[in-house]
Amino acid sequence: SQQGEEDPQALSIQEGENATMNCSYKTSINNLQWYRQNSGRGLVHLILIRSNEREKHSGRLRVTLDTSKKSSSLLITASRAADTASYFCAEGNTGGFKTIFGAGTRLFVKA
Amino acid sequence: SQTIHQWPATLVQPVGSPLSLECTVEGTSNPNLYWYRQAAGRGLQLLFYSVGIGQISSEVPQNLSASRPQDRQFILSSKKLLLSDSGFYLCAWSISGGGNQPQHFGDGTRLSIL
Repeated sequence: SQQGEEDPQALSIQEGENATMNCSYKTSINNLQWYRQNSGRGLVHLILIRSNEREKHSGRLRVTLDTSKKSSSLLITASRAADTASYFCAEGNTGGFKTIFGAGTRLFVKA
Repeated sequence: SQTIHQWPATLVQPVGSPLSLECTVEGTSNPNLYWYRQAAGRGLQLLFYSVGIGQISSEVPQNLSASRPQDRQFILSSKKLLLSDSGFYLCAWSISGGGNQPQHFGDGTRLSIL
């Protein structure tokens, strides 16, 4: 299967704590993208990290990429109840028109 | 700015009935368009994608079909729905340029087959 895998499948933390989600992938990527999905809604693009980048920040989000291990992580610092959602990584591949999405991590932030 | 509209939001259909879900994009030209299905608590399964009018690529054999009659319109159809067609259907667009581009999603259609 080409589908990436997120780890853990579910994560429950207290407000104010940091949340770390990991993603492993199998293909050669051009970039790795992270998305968020609130319950019953569409996905929202959060951040894109290119294959020649190792770390990227956007607000409270920090994404790392290790192409030698074919893995990426998403860190949300100082989490809030509003961060409760599912988070997906997606492989942007060289050539082709498909972006391959993982199965997601469900994050629950308790107030 | 670009927007994507997908409707209806919820649909309940009997087995064997036809289906038509519509998705339109505003504010961009020649987008790549995508239809996904998401089972409850799962990831996204790519069903169809299109890089231009009349150009449809199918990813999974099934009784669904897609059409792109206009540049910014993408339609998902079925002649006869099966119970297994239940799910959350998402339309998305990206700028042309392949699978490397971020995708922008509609709010989905929750389809229940009875």
